[in-house]
Amino acid sequence: TQLLEQSPQFLSIQEGENLTVYCNSSSVFSSLQWYRQEPGEGPVLLVTVVTGGEVKKLKRLTFQFGDARKDSSLHITAAQPGDTGLYLCAGANQAGTALIFGKGTTLSVSS
Amino acid sequence: NAGVTQTPKFRVLKTGQSMTLLCAQDMNHEYMYWYRQDPGMGLRLIHYSVGEGTTAKGEVPDGYNVSRLKKQNFLLGLESAAPSQTSVYFCASSKRRPPATDTQYFGPGTRLTVL
Repeated sequence: TQLLEQSPQFLSIQEGENLTVYCNSSSVFSSLQWYRQEPGEGPVLLVTVVTGGEVKKLKRLTFQFGDARKDSSLHITAAQPGDTGLYLCAGANQAGTALIFGKGTTLSVSS
Repeated sequence: NAGVTQTPKFRVLKTGQSMTLLCAQDMNHEYMYWYRQDPGMGLRLIHYSVGEGTTAKGEVPDGYNVSRLKKQNFLLGLESAAPSQTSVYFCASSKRRPPATDTQYFGPGTRLTVL
């Protein structure tokens, strides 16, 4: 069974701090996606990583795909209250028919 | 362009009652999905559809049925609601199938409580 394990489950930090959240699996994924979900809304895609070792930057967010394509990380520099939300990683199941989601990391950034 | 819409947004049912959740997308996407989201459990796939007239079971299909009679609509039915089905339900659609580097577009969710 393919599983995506995310850590930490909860993270509460002050504005301006840096943080990293992780998405790990024992399975190889051809690509991984990161979504952010704000309270009362559906998830929104942030990025897709497709190549082992790939690093993508989206303003203050840096995403990395592991060399073996089994893990990914999201690093936020100088967090802001607007970064608050649930961060989900997702990858395609073995049949290629749907996405598997991790349980998510809930981030709270206070000013 | 409304994207993915879901109706209703909130619903309270009594055990044993039935209801249908409607999902509509205006992006001409082939693939549509129904997920449930529970605290600490992430998003779990209930059913999905790879095109008009097709449906398939996901990870947690028991107690639910679906239909995709029109390409733009994907209906999720609960025939006899149970308290364990209390959850937030999300519909999503995508242009291509995973593992394509494609975006899944999500609706705003339906919060269902079964008493």
